[in-house]
Amino acid sequence: NAGVTQTPKFQVLKTGQSMTLQCAQDMNHEYMSWYRQDPGMGLRLIHYSVGAGITDQGEVPNGYNVSRSTTEDFPLRLLSAAPSQTSVYFCASSYPGAIKEAFFGQGTRLTVV
Amino acid sequence: AQSVTQLGSHVSVSEGALVLLRCNYSSSVPPYLFWYVQYPNQGLQLLLKYTTGATLVKGINGFEAEFKKSETSFHLTKPSAHMSDAAEYFCAVSDKSGAGSYQLTFGKGTKLSVIP
Repeated sequence: NAGVTQTPKFQVLKTGQSMTLQCAQDMNHEYMSWYRQDPGMGLRLIHYSVGAGITDQGEVPNGYNVSRSTTEDFPLRLLSAAPSQTSVYFCASSYPGAIKEAFFGQGTRLTVV
Repeated sequence: AQSVTQLGSHVSVSEGALVLLRCNYSSSVPPYLFWYVQYPNQGLQLLLKYTTGATLVKGINGFEAEFKKSETSFHLTKPSAHMSDAAEYFCAVSDKSGAGSYQLTFGKGTKLSVIP
């Protein structure tokens, strides 16, 4: 079972460059989300989506855009990368309503120089 | 907004010793509570969860946690640590956001080291 697939696994960007982190899930989950993980900070919610065409901001949305055109895919776009966006990014999905279990991808380690 | 506090960013135990990782949450109503584990360079995987019913929940790899409403706690325990338990552990709560949808809020994590 594929579960939640994130690409790429590693990426180095220069300041000011843009890129898209890909996330796909094959469990037909309506709820998808993006987190960033920084040392000592735990996981912080960037954006989330409760279904195709519906997205909302989380705790740390600045500098990131998302869209949800299909149930399966939830890409995260960095418009103009900054060193402060150096982090490990995780995509997660779950069934709608009260989250009873989230399934995570393997993460994307992003370095902005 | 909900918050989750994990006491101790780093816990060391000897192999075979009791593992106790502490988690307290803030919520005016009983939330859904989770423990996730993250092994080095991997994503998070669910260890156990409390939704409703029995307050002592058992998870994978011999871990269990007890929901104590009066203490707003959900501490994770394992009677005997194994070297393979070395990982980072995250406590999380699922509750309704101001916008009406459910979100997961994570604690900052506790890194568990197991000493041979």
